[in-house]
Amino acid sequence: AQSVTQLGSHVSVSEGALVLLRCNYSSSVPPYLFWYVQYPNQGLQLLLKYTSAATLVKGINGFEAEFKKSETSFHLTKPSAHMSDAAEYFCAVSEKGNNRLAFGKGNQVVVIP
Amino acid sequence: GAGVSQSPSNKVTEKGKDVELRCDPISGHTALYWYRQRLGQGLEFLIYFQGNSAPDKSGLPSDRFSAERTGESVSTLTIQRTQQEDSAVYLCASSLAQMEQGAGYTFGSGTRLTVV
Repeated sequence: AQSVTQLGSHVSVSEGALVLLRCNYSSSVPPYLFWYVQYPNQGLQLLLKYTSAATLVKGINGFEAEFKKSETSFHLTKPSAHMSDAAEYFCAVSEKGNNRLAFGKGNQVVVIP
Repeated sequence: GAGVSQSPSNKVTEKGKDVELRCDPISGHTALYWYRQRLGQGLEFLIYFQGNSAPDKSGLPSDRFSAERTGESVSTLTIQRTQQEDSAVYLCASSLAQMEQGAGYTFGSGTRLTVV
């Protein structure tokens, strides 16, 4: 069965500092992996996805994530945090043949001026 | 439409009442999903519709929950005899293709349900 682990429900980062959100997954078959962002009072918006092409995936707003099969990880990074990055971030996984996404519990990112 | 539309955006209801939540997916999206997001929790899968196939209802938490979808258009999620633990944001998403193609979802803004 597929599942996702995101540690640390709240993450504080200084403006201009590196943003690093960790995501580990379990899957019995090669997965599809996603990061979504949720701004206050809005739905989830796709940041980026891994679908078995390049292992380093670039997304919107300067975010990127690297798929590491040996570590079963898909960590999200951004070199320099901006105030507008304050939001909740969800990692999700699906398996080929499974028609649903399994989501992590999310990371609430707070950017400190 | 341009995006996934959900209504109402907010709903306050008394315990024991029935509520109906609506989702209007992106035109042409064959797959439609309902998720529940409780405060401080991840997204909990509820139900999945794909075209005219029988829906995957395996995530519905109790028989008080039901959902319908007419063809590839609007879906309604109904909660009967609401309880306080039903308070959550209910999110709808649609996609062009089944997940094995890695399509990803487009989410609506959700309905915030508060049971008092």
